Amino acid sequence: QKEVEQNSGPLSVPEGAIASLNCTYSDRGSQSFFWYRQYSGKSPELIMFIYSNGDKEDGRFTAQLNKASQYVSLLIRDSQPSDSATYLCAVSLSGGYNKLIFGAGTRLAVHP
Amino acid sequence: GAVVSQHPSWVICKSGTSVKIECRSLDFQATTMFWYRQFPKQSLMLMATSNEGSKATYEQGVEKDKFLINHASLTLSTLTVTSAHPEDSSFYICSAIVAGVNVDTQYFGPGTRLTVL
Repeated sequence: QKEVEQNSGPLSVPEGAIASLNCTYSDRGSQSFFWYRQYSGKSPELIMFIYSNGDKEDGRFTAQLNKASQYVSLLIRDSQPSDSATYLCAVSLSGGYNKLIFGAGTRLAVHP
Repeated sequence: GAVVSQHPSWVICKSGTSVKIECRSLDFQATTMFWYRQFPKQSLMLMATSNEGSKATYEQGVEKDKFLINHASLTLSTLTVTSAHPEDSSFYICSAIVAGVNVDTQYFGPGTRLTVL
């Protein structure tokens, strides 16, 4: 069974701090890794993806990938209350025709 | 960016009736779309892969005769929940694939909340 694990949280951080969200996956053949944000009652929206080891930055967001450790993370700098949401880690299924396996999500709460 | 729409955004129906949900890619063509279901406080569960011009492929445990999928054009996939029952009440979300140079990306529609009385 291919799995994606995330800490369910809630992760509580003060406004302006860095939020660090982590994810581990079991499928060694996975090639692409995605972070989605989901507000309560809404559908997921793509934040960013990463496919090479190392860091990838996009505005206040940085994704980090370590394939040897099967670990991917998302850093949110200068966290804002509007960042409060559930963050879903998704991993491509090897040989899986673009299928994604989703983690259960980490709930982030940014308090003023 | 890639925009995916769904219709209706919510629907309430009586037990035993059928409900059709549409998923459209508005500014791109999508040969592949996916249908997910999400129960409260749970993650997304993939139900099926919808391929334009061919039969959908269903995930294990998903009844293909209950959840009918049709992908008749490059911009439209439909999910019909047949003979709906209260346990089918859920948040149904579709996604469409946008092909990239290195990574193909899924963009999600806004979802359809189904309540079966």
